[in-house]
Amino acid sequence: EAGVVQSPRYKIIEKKQPVAFWCNPISGHNTLYWYRQNLGQGPELLIRYENEEAVDDSQLPKDRFSAERLKGVDSTLKIQPAELGDSAVYLCASSQQGSGANVLTFGAGSRLTVL
Amino acid sequence: QQQVKQSPQSLIVQKGGISIINCAYENTAFDYFPWYQQFPGKGPALLIAIRPDVSEKKEGRFTISFNKSAKQFSLHIMDSQPGDSATYFCAAGNTDKLIFGTGTRLQVFP
Repeated sequence: EAGVVQSPRYKIIEKKQPVAFWCNPISGHNTLYWYRQNLGQGPELLIRYENEEAVDDSQLPKDRFSAERLKGVDSTLKIQPAELGDSAVYLCASSQQGSGANVLTFGAGSRLTVL
Repeated sequence: QQQVKQSPQSLIVQKGGISIINCAYENTAFDYFPWYQQFPGKGPALLIAIRPDVSEKKEGRFTISFNKSAKQFSLHIMDSQPGDSATYFCAAGNTDKLIFGTGTRLQVFP
């Protein structure tokens, strides 16, 4: 079974440019997360989806970040315009709620460098 | 946001030795405490997890010790191997949300 698939793996852009990341979660996982991992730090939650609904976006910088999860499967995370401080690895994870434990399966991440 | 404090930041262990990583949390409502392992260029992967109703959980060479009153938990890696060299993250939370520690880079030398 394929794991959580993310693309692109690497992206280099100049500041003020837009960028988008795509995530395909594990089949059947109804919960999808976007995390940001700064260099030398742990992942920090940006947004959590239950099916199509964003149920926790309290940490998402809404002035420049947006996300969507159409049809409750794939998701995209967009940054417009990007700033230097947005350089990080953006991790997508999915889980199946109701299993009694929050077992997150992460993708390999999308590494963003903003110049 | 509630913090999860993790130490040490880095750890060097000789092959066959014991690696110990510690974490402390603040929110007494947390009921799920996993440890994730991350290799370079990969996403974190679940290693082992514990609920607060037990004080210890062992899976192979990996053991979590949990102290509810002190709000602390630790990961012990017995007989550490070079293949264990990775970054380890503790996390704390519940079924809705996990807060991750800052990570410990473990290096195991032959």
